[in-house]
Amino acid sequence: EVQVVESGGGLVQPGRSLRLSCRGFGFTFGDSAMTWFRQAPGKGLELVGLIRTEAFGGTAEYAASVEGRFTISRDDSKSIAYLQMNSLKTEDTALYYCTREILTWGRGTLVTVSS
Amino acid sequence: EIVLTQSPGALSLSPGERATLSCRASQSVSNSKLAWYQQKPGQAPRLLIYGASSRATGTPNRFSGSGSGTDFTLTISRLEPEDFSVYYCQQYGNSPWTFGQGTEVEIK
Repeated sequence: EVQVVESGGGLVQPGRSLRLSCRGFGFTFGDSAMTWFRQAPGKGLELVGLIRTEAFGGTAEYAASVEGRFTISRDDSKSIAYLQMNSLKTEDTALYYCTREILTWGRGTLVTVSS
Repeated sequence: EIVLTQSPGALSLSPGERATLSCRASQSVSNSKLAWYQQKPGQAPRLLIYGASSRATGTPNRFSGSGSGTDFTLTISRLEPEDFSVYYCQQYGNSPWTFGQGTEVEIK
């Protein structure tokens, strides 16, 4: 079965860092762009960023709201994508979803930024 | 950034009725890369339609998507009880990918 599973969420203080992981199953991970979205409580969906395949340079792009603070990387040998979140703000509180392209969504991992 | 505006914000209908949801883009969506998702409370979004009109695996054929350029529509031909939910459109043809604010289809 094709699926992605997020992990690494939790409660963190403002200004601190957190790293989320997204592991893929049932597909050739290296052939898929991986994307992170988020959804704040009671709100809509927002792109956080994406990382292209190595065949397309493995480059990442980010939403303006996280540019310079968040970094997406991938380890195709482990079928894992990472979202490194630095300088977290209270407004980063959300359920973070990892997706394979737009096709396959994980269940999400909750990040709460609060003192 | 492409802004997607969904209308109406909420739709009150009865089971068996037809639902028509609109998604309008502030500029043309490249290659009709427009998707529709269904999201139920406490669940991840579920992809229904991609490429404006192609059904994702497992999407019932009562769901259909249409449109191009800046105007897109999701139609549910006959509402089933499990279809009452929130629906989002998303464009993935232009960076950054963006979402509409959602349309809630509620039971009348």
